[in-house]
Amino acid sequence: KNQVEQSPQSLIILEGKNCTLQCNYTVSPFSNLRWYKQDTGRGPVSLTIMTFSENTKSNGRYTATLDADTKQSSLHITASQLSDSASYICVVSEGQAGTALIFGKGTTLSVSS
Amino acid sequence: DVKVTQSSRYLVKRTGEKVFLECVQDMDHENMFWYRQDPGLGLRLIYFSYDVKMKEKGDIPEGYSVSREKKERFSLILESASTNQTSMYLCASSFRQGILSYEQYFGPGTRLTVT
Repeated sequence: KNQVEQSPQSLIILEGKNCTLQCNYTVSPFSNLRWYKQDTGRGPVSLTIMTFSENTKSNGRYTATLDADTKQSSLHITASQLSDSASYICVVSEGQAGTALIFGKGTTLSVSS
Repeated sequence: DVKVTQSSRYLVKRTGEKVFLECVQDMDHENMFWYRQDPGLGLRLIYFSYDVKMKEKGDIPEGYSVSREKKERFSLILESASTNQTSMYLCASSFRQGILSYEQYFGPGTRLTVT
């Protein structure tokens, strides 16, 4: 069964600290993996998209890694800010892109001052 | 910038009412999607459309229908709203083919409460 598992479910860190969120998937065939940020009460916004051949991609203070062999991805946030408080969702696309997305349940990150 | 707009941010309806949720995108995307998002369950696909007048069932289509009469507009219809349809509804759009289709752009969401 195609699944995307994220850990931890929630995380609290101090402003300025780094953190890493994990995503493990069992989706096959794999097309691409995306990380989205969703602020409370808002729609998700894309942070990164990685295909099979990519193993790292950055977007400012956000860096995503992908290990297609172990079917694992991580999202590293550097020097966290209060505005990073949000839910982070890992999404894996099965086969052809555009449909057949498998969503993780998200990690809720709280950054405190 | 890609813009996906939804007709209402918050909506309260009574059980049994017919409910229309509207979504409009301005990027000439072929694909459009409707999801619902519930705590602990993540996003689940209700319906999607890859062209005008075309629709495909997602994972949880029961109790919903959709309409796509124009390329930029995708409507979700709850024929007879029930309390278990209380949820956050998210619309998204994307190109159909190629690497551009990897990116789905989401609207702000409609929080629907059925009483």
